[in-house]
Amino acid sequence: GQNIDQPTEMTATEGAIVQINCTYQTSGFNGLFWYQQHAGEAPTFLSYNVLDGLEEKGRFSSFLSRSKGYSYLLLKELQMKDSASYLCAGLDSNYQLIWGAGTKLIIKP
Amino acid sequence: IAGITQAPTSQILAAGRRMTLRCTQDMRHNAMYWYRQDLGLGLRLIHYSNTAGTTGKGEVPDGYSVSRANTDDFPLTLASAVPSQTSVYFCASSDSASGSYNEQFFGPGTRLTVL
Repeated sequence: GQNIDQPTEMTATEGAIVQINCTYQTSGFNGLFWYQQHAGEAPTFLSYNVLDGLEEKGRFSSFLSRSKGYSYLLLKELQMKDSASYLCAGLDSNYQLIWGAGTKLIIKP
Repeated sequence: IAGITQAPTSQILAAGRRMTLRCTQDMRHNAMYWYRQDLGLGLRLIHYSNTAGTTGKGEVPDGYSVSRANTDDFPLTLASAVPSQTSVYFCASSDSASGSYNEQFFGPGTRLTVL
């Protein structure tokens, strides 16, 4: 079956760094997405990885290891506005997204 | 209109009633999607459309139907609502060509409660 696993909730301190992990099992693989979703709002795109390695985009970076079925999202210099849920999603062989339940990130001052 | 709009924003519905959730995009995207999001679960695909005139079933299609008469609109209909259809519904679109990836853009969502 297809499955995306990520932690339910994480807590971090303003100004610190946090890493949100995601493991995936999909029928075929065409890439891994990360989305951000603030409470009561729609998900918004953060990153896409299809090759192994680290993609950096400002304070946010995303890493992929296809051999391990593993990805992480790294958030640096945390700000209060980063409090949100972070959704990991794998793109399967039919180009359909398989979504994790999301990781709720709580930022404390 | 900018991006994707959904209507209504929220709705309380009696069980057994018929309901259509509307979704319109102005980005001329080929592909459109309907998801439901429930607490503790990931987004689950209900139906999708790769291009106007075609639709397909997602992971949880039972009790829902869709149509795609044109590029912009992708309504979702609940023929006879049941309490288990209480959820937040998101419409999304992407500029997808077959065999390629494109990010999905989401509408603001419709919060539906079936009593």
